[in-house]
Order: sequence, then C-alpha cells, then structure tokens
Amino acid sequence: AQSVTQPDIHITVSEGASLELRCNYSYGATPYLFWYVQSPGQGLQLLLKYFSGDTLVQGIKGFEAEFKRSQSSFNLRKPSVHWSDAAEYFCAVDGRAAGNKLTFGGGTRVLVKP
Amino acid sequence: EPEVTQTPSHQVTQMGQEVILRCVPISNHLYFYWYRQILGQKVEFLVSFYNNEISEKSEIFDDQFSVERPDGSNFTLKIRSTKLEDSAMYFCASSGGPGQASSGNTIYFGEGSWLTVV
Repeated sequence: AQSVTQPDIHITVSEGASLELRCNYSYGATPYLFWYVQSPGQGLQLLLKYFSGDTLVQGIKGFEAEFKRSQSSFNLRKPSVHWSDAAEYFCAVDGRAAGNKLTFGGGTRVLVKP
Repeated sequence: EPEVTQTPSHQVTQMGQEVILRCVPISNHLYFYWYRQILGQKVEFLVSFYNNEISEKSEIFDDQFSVERPDGSNFTLKIRSTKLEDSAMYFCASSGGPGQASSGNTIYFGEGSWLTVV
C-alpha cells in the first residue's frame, strides 16, 4: 500500500532563515506529488506539484520542492521564511490510478520565531 | 481564481442526528471528493464521485455515509446517524475538467466544514 511519511512533526525556524520539510513516499511507481499548506482554521491550499519533467518545481509563496527518485523523496524548501509561513504543511501522493485519490502525510507544523 | 466552497463552516450536532454538508465544486470540474481530518490526525480520503456515481470509497465510508449531486452545482455528504467519532473537519474537493484524464489532475480543496458531534 502506498504511504507518505513526513518525519518531522514540528519545526521551529527563525524569520528569515531557510526551511526544509521532508517527505518520503512508498509506492511502486513514481506517483504524482503535491505539497499543500493549511493555515490555522483554513482549508488546504496547493503550494506546488510534480507530475513529470524537471525535478525541481517552483510553487507559490516562494516555495520549491525537489523530487529525488533514488530517495523516494519530495522535500519542500524556502530560502527565507516569513512569519506568515507559520502553518501546517502536508505532502500528498496521487498513485496515478484513475480517480485522483490522494494519500496524505501526517503533516509538519511550522512555527516561525521573530 | 475559481474555488470550491463549502457550507456550513461549523456545525454542532447531537449524536444520532443526521447531518448534510454541502459543497459547490469548481464549475467545470467532473471529479468530486470528500476527505476528512480528525483533529491532530492525517487528512483521509473518504469517497470520490464521477459521472453521478461513486468511483471509489474508503473503509471509513460505511453505510452511514452517502453522497449526492442533487443538481448541476452542488455536491453533498450526508451522515445518517452521527457518532462522536465523526467529529472532524470535512473537506470537499474537485478536479479534472472536460478532456482531462481521470488521474494526474490537481485537486482543489474547499476550506472545510468543522463538524462537532456532542
């Protein structure tokens, strides 16, 4: 069965510092990969996605993610964090079966220190 | 930008009562979903819906749950007899316009409906 692991439950980072959130997946073939962000009390907003091609993908809000097939990883990065980036971040996988069904990781909560 | 809208944003209901959560998916999308997130847990897939029928459902989606597209714009989730453990945030989502494949599309989520069963 496909699974998605986000090893870090919480990360605290200083404003202006860089941020990297880890995501590993387990699936037989390369799935479609997504990062979503959930601000407190809000829904899930798509940050970026990887379907094929260039393994470094750019998203909204200055985020990027790199797909590494050899490591089954899709880590999210931002060079300089802003206070408004405090939120919960979810990695999700679409196993390429018909129906666009997503399997989510457990999420990483990011706290930003002034 | 088009968005998925959900109502109500919050609902408190007594155990055993029926609840209907409503969603308006993005207008040209053909695939519709419900996901849920119990407080502090992962977002979980409940059901997908295409061409007026359920295309896939999880083991969570038992006989207490049903979905319906009563008209051309709404997509509803009904919980027939709510239990305490149904308390969660329920997300509606949609994807895939005409001519798009059934997989590999971006899924757009609504802001969720908080359901509290007391």
